[in-house]
Amino acid sequence: DIVLTQTPLSSPVTLGQPASISCRSSQSLVHSDGNTYLSWLQQRPGQPPRLLIYQISNRFSGVPDRFSGSGAGTDFTLKISRVEVEDVGVYYCMQATHFPHSFGQGTRLEI
Amino acid sequence: EVQLVESGGVVVQPGGSLRLSCVASGFTFSDYTMHWVRQAPGKGLQWVSLITWNGGVIKYADSVKGRFTISRDNGKNSLYLQMNSLRTEDTAFYYCTKDTSNAFDVWGQGTLATVSS
Repeated sequence: DIVLTQTPLSSPVTLGQPASISCRSSQSLVHSDGNTYLSWLQQRPGQPPRLLIYQISNRFSGVPDRFSGSGAGTDFTLKISRVEVEDVGVYYCMQATHFPHSFGQGTRLEI
Repeated sequence: EVQLVESGGVVVQPGGSLRLSCVASGFTFSDYTMHWVRQAPGKGLQWVSLITWNGGVIKYADSVKGRFTISRDNGKNSLYLQMNSLRTEDTAFYYCTKDTSNAFDVWGQGTLATVSS
């Protein structure tokens, strides 16, 4: 099974400053169709998860452009250019290239 | 408005059964693969199962294989999860989620299934 390892697990940040979360996969996430199905999700306190980024770097509809994704193969990064109060929550990377699909452990973003 | 609404989460004893439902609205349900994802209270996310648009492909996590059954009724815009032989470790919020190009783009609010004696 694919293991996704996120670092850090907790990230104290300052409003207006950047933040970065890493996600490393135990195997390449390149699908046989050539796409890489690595997503990032945000879960605010008491809320269900919300899709932020899909296929490494594509922002989902309505997601602010301060969120960006990058990476390839087994190493991926989510960056927030300037953290805002509403960004508090837990961030998960997720792979849907291989079965079973899997999630990282989550990174808690705290102001 | 695109929406998923789960229901059916209750308290059940170990070894018991439960059926979760998810009703979709605001999109053509029959066009999409659907998944169940669970989250134990205070813990991370775990993928549980998927079913393609016509039920032609069904997959399960090893931890639920042989005990859980996913199904759908496109005429009722509904997704189901039949959960048998429940264990305490199955206690979780269960979310249904819509799959668009292998990204989970719509999530329900979740329903809490508690397995406890």
